[in-house]
Amino acid sequence: GAVVSQHPSRVICKSGTSVKIECRSLDFQATTMFWYRQFPKKSLMLMATSNEGSKATYEQGVEKDKFLINHASLTLSTLTVTSAHPEDSSFYICSAPLARGNYGYTFGSGTRLTVV
Amino acid sequence: QKEVEQDPGPLSVPEGAIVSLNCTYSNSAFQYFMWYRQYSRKGPELLMYTYSSGNKEDGRFTAQVDKSSKYISLFIRDSQPSDSATYLCAMRSAGGFKTIFGAGTRLFVKA
Repeated sequence: GAVVSQHPSRVICKSGTSVKIECRSLDFQATTMFWYRQFPKKSLMLMATSNEGSKATYEQGVEKDKFLINHASLTLSTLTVTSAHPEDSSFYICSAPLARGNYGYTFGSGTRLTVV
Repeated sequence: QKEVEQDPGPLSVPEGAIVSLNCTYSNSAFQYFMWYRQYSRKGPELLMYTYSSGNKEDGRFTAQVDKSSKYISLFIRDSQPSDSATYLCAMRSAGGFKTIFGAGTRLFVKA
């Protein structure tokens, strides 16, 4: 089945540094990738939608200069958290739509980011 | 009012019990309904999806959609400790692109 590989699964970084999270679709082409942030006991918060070959669409309140998204190929989308601060610590998850006829998504395994 | 309401629990049941998980929603345009299971520190995995109203069964899992009441349910029969996870409901309108997720219900099945 459709698999999205997300890397790294866990990262600890210092304040002010940047962190890149990668999501790769392993056995299908993902023209669209969704990036979510998940807080404990809260629903998934959609941050942005990335489309291969075009600019990402950011949700209201999400800083596009802070959360840089690149979707340069049909199998790779990246999220870079720039100048990270402790409040950026969270669980970040990517997902891609499943095949036509199935309205669900396949999710990456998530990245636990801790900024110290 | 949130578009999707889901009791975060936790819900604790003995092994073998029937589990009922529910969500309510306010947007009558939602047509596609999904349930995801998320284990700790992992991404969600799709369990079931349904279109419009009705029931859908897959093994020990049954999904129900009542559009007139704006209420969806997931039933788990013969629950197992391995079912212990967070269950998220999700829904989307027919022409919509964005999926709205519930907050998730934490389920514990005790052996």
